[in-house]
Amino acid sequence: GQNIDQPTEMTATEGAIVQINCTYQTSGFNGLFWYQQHAGEAPTFLSYNVLDGLEEKGRFSSFLSRSKGYSYLLLKELQMKDSASYLCAVTGGGGADGLTFGKGTHLIIQP
Amino acid sequence: EAGVAQSPRYKIIEKRQSVAFWCNPISGHATLYWYQQILGQGPKLLIQFQNNGVVDDSQLPKDRFSAERLKGVDSTLKIQPAKLEDSAVYLCASSQGGFVETQYFGPGTRLLVL
Repeated sequence: GQNIDQPTEMTATEGAIVQINCTYQTSGFNGLFWYQQHAGEAPTFLSYNVLDGLEEKGRFSSFLSRSKGYSYLLLKELQMKDSASYLCAVTGGGGADGLTFGKGTHLIIQP
Repeated sequence: EAGVAQSPRYKIIEKRQSVAFWCNPISGHATLYWYQQILGQGPKLLIQFQNNGVVDDSQLPKDRFSAERLKGVDSTLKIQPAKLEDSAVYLCASSQGGFVETQYFGPGTRLLVL
């Protein structure tokens, strides 16, 4: 089966750093993706990890440990516009590479 | 480069009626996906096409949902007959079709079944 867990909601302060964790148990694994989704909008791609380690893209970084079934998304220098849901998703298994998503973490940025 | 296009953006129907959604992927993208996103949940894959062939439709409720991708470009998703629990956002995504390719999502169609 597929199971992806992430916190339902987090609150952080503008200018600070926040880490959103994701754990997964899936029957196959080829890669892990993070998407951002503002209310009423489509998910937009942030980052992906195929191998263990840290991937950095500007203010966003994502980490993966395949042996632990664990990933996190790190957001630095938080801005009000970062208030959104952050979705962790896993792809894997044969030729089908559709994403299995977690329920998303609703991040609230306070002034 | 134009993104994934979807229409209509909003649709309200009564239960037992039929509805169809249309998707035009990013030009040159071989793989197309349909996802269902219920309020407060992450998207759930319904069907994946590689060109005009179905790769995965294991989570598609085939008694009422159908999808096609004629000529390997545009795709339509149909629900017939609709149920109250089908109220959701239907997202179309596309990717180039290689190994672990990024999927790009369209704006979605919001369906409300009354």
